[in-house]
Amino acid sequence: DAKTTQPPSMDCAEGRAANLPCNHSTISGNEYVYWYRQIHSQGPQYIIHGLKNNETNEMASLIITEDRKSSTLILPHATLRDTAVYYCIARGSISGGYNKLIFGAGTRLAVHP
Amino acid sequence: NAGVTQTPKFRILKIGQSMTLQCTQDMNHNYMYWYRQDPGMGLKLIYYSVGAGITDKGEVPNGYNVSRSTTEDFPLRLELAAPSQTSVYFCATGGGNEKLFFGSGTQLSVL
Repeated sequence: DAKTTQPPSMDCAEGRAANLPCNHSTISGNEYVYWYRQIHSQGPQYIIHGLKNNETNEMASLIITEDRKSSTLILPHATLRDTAVYYCIARGSISGGYNKLIFGAGTRLAVHP
Repeated sequence: NAGVTQTPKFRILKIGQSMTLQCTQDMNHNYMYWYRQDPGMGLKLIYYSVGAGITDKGEVPNGYNVSRSTTEDFPLRLELAAPSQTSVYFCATGGGNEKLFFGSGTQLSVL
């Protein structure tokens, strides 16, 4: 699995877009990029994942650069409830059906009024 | 549909004591995982299971044991508790796709 690098912390004004970067310069061709978040002391929550195309769902958008060496998670209109630690994970395609995600330290996003 | 249920939520152990952390899921997922999270750190994988009767070690298995006799249950056993095992423990399940579903965690202190 490729190593990912994220800034330790960011902040964002409520109602503005939060753009969380992730560097994964050693990612291989079959490795997906996953994003999870952890609000306070709860269990992590899946947000989105992608391989090479940009992805969007009801929670966020994922923009992956053409060379796949970095990506950005976008929360279009951040709210106070989006304050959390965000984890970017590069993981190979699921082998045998299981998905051993390895979590790093993540980015601590603070959304302020 | 409760999802992933972990019990207990909190526990204090003395050094050398043993205990079992329970994890039950009603999502009919084959894949289950145990993670631990130390303060200010990311999650580390302890053990995982790809189905009933099949388990394997993760990153930090020492001091723990698991079993998987049914699809629903994946208990984590600490035999001789040590202060280094003070942590928050999360159980997760997956249906063979990209999403993992996590329980609310068990906060364990070993004193």
